[in-house]
Amino acid sequence: DVKVTQSSRYLVKRTGEKVFLECVQDMDHENMFWYRQDPGLGLRLIYFSYDVKMKEKGDIPEGYSVSREKKERFSLILESASTNQTSMYLCASSLVRGPGTQYFGPGTRLLVL
Amino acid sequence: GENVEQHPSTLSVQEGDSAVIKCTYSDSASNYFPWYKQELGKRPQLIIDIRSNVGEKKDQRIAVTLNKTAKHFSLHITETQPEDSAVYFCAASRESNTGKLIFGQGTTLQVKP
Repeated sequence: DVKVTQSSRYLVKRTGEKVFLECVQDMDHENMFWYRQDPGLGLRLIYFSYDVKMKEKGDIPEGYSVSREKKERFSLILESASTNQTSMYLCASSLVRGPGTQYFGPGTRLLVL
Repeated sequence: GENVEQHPSTLSVQEGDSAVIKCTYSDSASNYFPWYKQELGKRPQLIIDIRSNVGEKKDQRIAVTLNKTAKHFSLHITETQPEDSAVYFCAASRESNTGKLIFGQGTTLQVKP
C-alpha cells in the first residue's frame, strides 16, 4: 500500500517567515508533485520533480521553491510567507514517468497571519 | 496554456438518481484522463481513468466517456448513494515523461438520502 506522508497537518506562520513543508513517499516513486488547493480553483500545480535533484515549474511557482535531495523526499519552501499563500497544500507521487495514478498525502493546511 | 474546464461546480441529486460531471480540455495532445474523488477531510484518490484509445470505460456504478473530437470527457455515476458525496476532480495529461496532470476546478456532489 502506497504511503505518502506530509510533515504537518496544520501550520500557522507569520508574514515574512520562511516555511518548509516536507513530503515523504515510501514506494520508490519517480515523480513527486506539490499542489495547492483553494475552493473553486481545484488543484493547481506548484512544482514537480521526476528525478532526484530535478525540478520543473508548474502553473503557479511564484513565491515557492522546492528541493529533492533524496528520491523519497520532496520539500516545498515558501521563501517569505505572505497571506495569499494561506491554503491547503497537497503532495503527491506517481510511480512512472508517464501519465499514471498519483497518490496524495493528507495535506497541510497553512495559515499565514 | 493547457486548461481543463469542469462543470457543474456543485451538483445535488437524490439517492438512486444518476449524476454526470463534464470536463473539456484545451490541449489536443492530451491522451490520459483520470478522475479523482476527495471525501470531506480526506486526500484525493483515483476512482477511474481512461486513455484516448478507448471511448468509454466502466467500473461498477461509475463510467467515463471520452469524445476526442470535441475535446470533452464525462463522469457518470449511476444509482448514487450517500457515500458518493464528495468533491470530484477531472484531469488531463499528454503522454510525456513527467506525469504532469492539469486538473479541473472540481465538482461538489451531494447525494441526498
